[in-house]
Amino acid sequence: AQTVTQSQPEMSVQEAETVTLSCTYDTSENNYYLFWYKQPPSRQMILVIRQEAYKQQNATENRFSVNFQKAAKSFSLKISDSQLGDTAMYFCAFVSLGTGGTSYGKLTFGQGTILTVHP
Amino acid sequence: DTAVSQTPKYLVTQMGNDKSIKCEQNLGHDTMYWYKQDSKKFLKIMFSYNNKELIINETVPNRFSPKSPDKAHLNLHINSLELGDSAVYFCASSHEGLAGLETQYFGPGTRLLVL
Repeated sequence: AQTVTQSQPEMSVQEAETVTLSCTYDTSENNYYLFWYKQPPSRQMILVIRQEAYKQQNATENRFSVNFQKAAKSFSLKISDSQLGDTAMYFCAFVSLGTGGTSYGKLTFGQGTILTVHP
Repeated sequence: DTAVSQTPKYLVTQMGNDKSIKCEQNLGHDTMYWYKQDSKKFLKIMFSYNNKELIINETVPNRFSPKSPDKAHLNLHINSLELGDSAVYFCASSHEGLAGLETQYFGPGTRLLVL
């Protein structure tokens, strides 16, 4: 079974600074995707960034980038130039790929990290 | 314009009642999901349907019954509601690409409160 661990229950950062959120996962699979989702107080789950395990290059989306270390099973999220609107709970998530099986499409989430951006 | 929509957004009801939550997606995806987020914000999958067929059924009480009338809709019916069913329920959908199921997009959630 896959597990996802976020060891930082809460983080805070000053506006315009950089912050890194940690995530580790455990799996015996070789083909999978990793995600970071953001959940602001509005409750909506918003996709931040996606990383395919077969890609060595780290994914980036504007101010958001990841540090994907496949051997170490680590997937951290870096937010640059933090903005007040980045205040939210951030979830790391894992999904195994393939063509079937009971884990097919099952998105496994970490416990979440509450990020607060201070003015 | 909403890609994945859920109704209602809020549901307050008494213990023992039966209620339904509806989900619709207009993304053309072929797979839909239900997730439960508990009071500690932990998210866990409950069910998944692919082209109207059940493919994931986690350990969920059989008071919970998903129904998929077509691949754009996945509804969740809950019988005999209990206090512990209070949570936020999220619907999601994804497309089945060449590599398997891809990114899941979530609805706005339905906050259920059982009194």
